[in-house]
Amino acid sequence: QLQLQESGPGLVKPSETLSLTCTVSGGSISSSSYYWGWIRQPPGKGLEWIGSIYYSGSTYYNPSLKSRVTISVDTSKNQFSLKLSSVTAADTAVYYCARHMWWLPHWGQGTLVTVSS
Amino acid sequence: EIVLTQSPGTLSLSPGERATLSCRASQSVSSSYLAWYQQKPGQAPRLLIYGASSRATGIPDRFSGSGSGTDFTLTISRLEPEDFAVYYCQQYGSSHWTFGQGTKVEIK
Repeated sequence: QLQLQESGPGLVKPSETLSLTCTVSGGSISSSSYYWGWIRQPPGKGLEWIGSIYYSGSTYYNPSLKSRVTISVDTSKNQFSLKLSSVTAADTAVYYCARHMWWLPHWGQGTLVTVSS
Repeated sequence: EIVLTQSPGTLSLSPGERATLSCRASQSVSSSYLAWYQQKPGQAPRLLIYGASSRATGIPDRFSGSGSGTDFTLTISRLEPEDFAVYYCQQYGSSHWTFGQGTKVEIK
């Protein structure tokens, strides 16, 4: 059964880079025809797609975050990662990773990242 | 970028009642690319409907989706206690994914 688990610092200082990793088990991250994506949800607010990486390595980012986001894959570890630079308090959110196609059937449990000094 | 607008923001209903949730797109969306999710507090969203009208694995048949073009609807035929939650629509287009702002279904 496919499982995704987010990991990374729960507290990041303003202006620094947020880094998260999603570890995939029960399936290969090299599997064809899937996207591996990141979605976030500020406390008490809705869902925002951050970006996704296709199994081929192509990346797609939310235009509003594109200048600050990098998503990459490490096939040797069956992981993919998110880097969000120059964070502010507005980046405080629960960050989810997901395996998806046009819709998102598989989600991690999410991890709260707080941006604060 | 396609914007999804959900209405109403909050729906107050009693168990056993019918819930009708709306999702309107700023431009036409392929039905193949429209999905609905349920989210309960402290949990990740759960896929309910994909392709506008197909139920995901394990989703009860009281949940149904319909619509096309710019107007889509999620219907819960008879609310069960576990259905009180927040619901999101989501679309895919031009290698981007967007979500609506959500509709909260609360107990009246």
